[in-house]
Amino acid sequence: GAGVSQSPSNKVTEKGKDVELRCDPISGHTALYWYRQSLGQGLEFLIYFQGNSAPDKSGLPSDRFSAERTGGSVSTLTIQRTQQEDSAVYLCASSSRIQFPGGIQYFGAGTRLSVL
Amino acid sequence: DAKTTQPNSMESNEEEPVHLPCNHSTISGTDYIHWYRQLPSQGPEYVIHGLTSNVNNRMASLAIAEDRKSSTLILHRATLRDAAVYYCILRDQAGANNLFFGTGTRLTVIP
Repeated sequence: GAGVSQSPSNKVTEKGKDVELRCDPISGHTALYWYRQSLGQGLEFLIYFQGNSAPDKSGLPSDRFSAERTGGSVSTLTIQRTQQEDSAVYLCASSSRIQFPGGIQYFGAGTRLSVL
Repeated sequence: DAKTTQPNSMESNEEEPVHLPCNHSTISGTDYIHWYRQLPSQGPEYVIHGLTSNVNNRMASLAIAEDRKSSTLILHRATLRDAAVYYCILRDQAGANNLFFGTGTRLTVIP
C-alpha cells in the first residue's frame, strides 16, 4: 500500500449535516493537498500543508470548510452544515519536497460526496 | 501561475501516435511545464515535465517549442488505457505549490 489512501470512497449525506473526509498520504511525504472536482470540471485547489508550516487555506470556499493534519501525516477535511453545492469528488495528493518545484503530486482515488 | 490553453477533446486510433497540444504564451522563464492525466473515476497521475529541452520517459515524450510558448505531449502508440483527460500545467519554482488544473483535453482512443 504505497499510494495515497482516501476514505470513505463514497459518502452520501443530508443537507445540513457535517462530514469528515480522511486522507493518508504516502509515507515520508511532507506536503499534502486537498482539491475538489465538480462533475465535468477541472480540479479546484482547497488547502495545502507543508511540514510544520502554517497551511495555505487560500482555496477554501467558505468557513464551513476546515482541514487538519495531525502528526504531519493523516489529514481530515471537515465540511460543516453541508450544502448541495458541496457535492463533488474530493481529492487528496501528497508530494515530497525533495523533488523539483513542488514535486510530483500523487493523488488518491478521491471521496465522492453527495449531499441530498 | 500562468494559464494554458488546450483543445477540449481529441480522438486517436489505437496503436497510432497522438500529439496533444498546449499553448502557454504568457509562460515565464522560471515556469516548468507539467502534464498530468486523469483516467475515468481516478485521481490525476503525473505524466511528464520539462523546462526547455524535450523530455522522454516511459509514458510519453514532451516537445517544447524553442520560444516555450507552446508544447506538445506525444503518446507514441495510443492504447485504450490512454483514454483520459490530459492536463497541461505551468509550475513556477517560487510560486504556489498547488496545481492549477484547467479543463484539459479529453482523449478518446478508438479501437
